[in-house]
Amino acid sequence: QVQLVQSGAEVKKPGASVKVSCKASGYTFTSYDINWVRQATGQGLEWMGWMNPNSGNTGYAQKFQGRVTMTRNTSISTAYMELSSLRSEDTAVYYCASSPVRGVIDYWGQGTLVTVSS
Amino acid sequence: QSVLTQPPSASGTPGQRVTISCSGSSSNIGSNTVNWYQQLPGTAPKLLIYSNNQRPSGVPDRFSGSKSGTSASLAISGLQSEDEADYYCAAWDDSLNGALFGGGTKLTVL
Repeated sequence: QVQLVQSGAEVKKPGASVKVSCKASGYTFTSYDINWVRQATGQGLEWMGWMNPNSGNTGYAQKFQGRVTMTRNTSISTAYMELSSLRSEDTAVYYCASSPVRGVIDYWGQGTLVTVSS
Repeated sequence: QSVLTQPPSASGTPGQRVTISCSGSSSNIGSNTVNWYQQLPGTAPKLLIYSNNQRPSGVPDRFSGSKSGTSASLAISGLQSEDEADYYCAAWDDSLNGALFGGGTKLTVL
């Protein structure tokens, strides 16, 4: 079965960077795009961007352009999302999710809580 | 503020039928398919409906989706207590070249 397992919770200071990992299993990692979606406490879902694990091509939401980088290591079926220049408003649960076709997100990771606090 | 507009809340009694709306524009719902997600408290979202009206394997047929023009709807028939959750619509937006989520609807089973 498809599984996406994310790295553990992080606490960061304002201005720092965070890198969240997402290990895929149960399918061919390079076959589906990986999306990243975040959710602040009590708030809705916010799409951050996508990455094609085969080509490495990416597309980012305008809001995060210049601050987010999505990469992968195909040898270990793992995707990464790095967010820089963190501020308190970036405190949220970050999810990775697979996408068999553009716009359709089917399987989700368990989420990674990133807390930004001085 | 989400570009896809959903009512913040909805409610119904067990056995009832409820619908949740999602309003967008020509660049998103009007030109792309709509997906719906269910998020139970404290868990990751789950794909409920894709391509406007298709159910993934394992999703009960009590859940159905439809789309007309720049709006879409999720219907839940035979409401059950375990349906109490947050529901989100989503669609690709050609102008933004990215995915959009609605603001979410909290469904309460009375």
